[in-house]
Amino acid sequence: GAGVSQSPSNKVTEKGKDVELRCDPISGHTALYWYRQSLGQGLEFLIYFQGNSAPDKSGLPSDRFSAERTGGSVSTLTIQRTQQEDSAVYLCASSLGLAGTQYFGPGTRLLVL
Amino acid sequence: GENVEQHPSTLSVQEGDSAVIKCTYSDSASNYFPWYKQELGKRPQLIIDIRSNVGEKKDQRIAVTLNKTAKHFSLHITETQPEDSAVYFCAATAFSGGYQKVTFGTGTKLQVIP
Repeated sequence: GAGVSQSPSNKVTEKGKDVELRCDPISGHTALYWYRQSLGQGLEFLIYFQGNSAPDKSGLPSDRFSAERTGGSVSTLTIQRTQQEDSAVYLCASSLGLAGTQYFGPGTRLLVL
Repeated sequence: GENVEQHPSTLSVQEGDSAVIKCTYSDSASNYFPWYKQELGKRPQLIIDIRSNVGEKKDQRIAVTLNKTAKHFSLHITETQPEDSAVYFCAATAFSGGYQKVTFGTGTKLQVIP
């Protein structure tokens, strides 16, 4: 079936604006993850969902970041009052369950001017 | 929390030689260790993984070894080819009380020289 999809693929915004990033996991995958990857850097874990629940939000960089998942499927990552340091690729992944293989989406490239 | 260290940060090998990338972790609760390959501009893709009840796993030219006592695991690529050039990430996943924590290493940029 279809893999993990993310939208938009690219987003340019002005400092101070809010942005919303979307992730469509593989159908049937109960676990969903959000990561951030700055240019040339490693993967920074942000948050994961098991179903619609996010047991651990400690990875979110600040209270400007929030995420939700509804219907055990689509997830949105919202960044309020964006800052230039938020510029990065935001990757989403899903897995059949906890400890399952994570399949990554193509990412959303966010540029905050 | 978990701390994963990955070495080396860059690695250049001649085509046909072997490449070894090592990771260490700190949380003894970690019990799942995947390796991802990320080609330039592309998404990370799982290439091999190992669980804590296994000491070694092999898939064609790729193998992973795990030493739980020493808390380190390694990726071995034999007979390297130019298409193996990419950034490789290790990860350690710990499960506790229904919670999951995944920590990635900082990545190794592998260059295979033809």
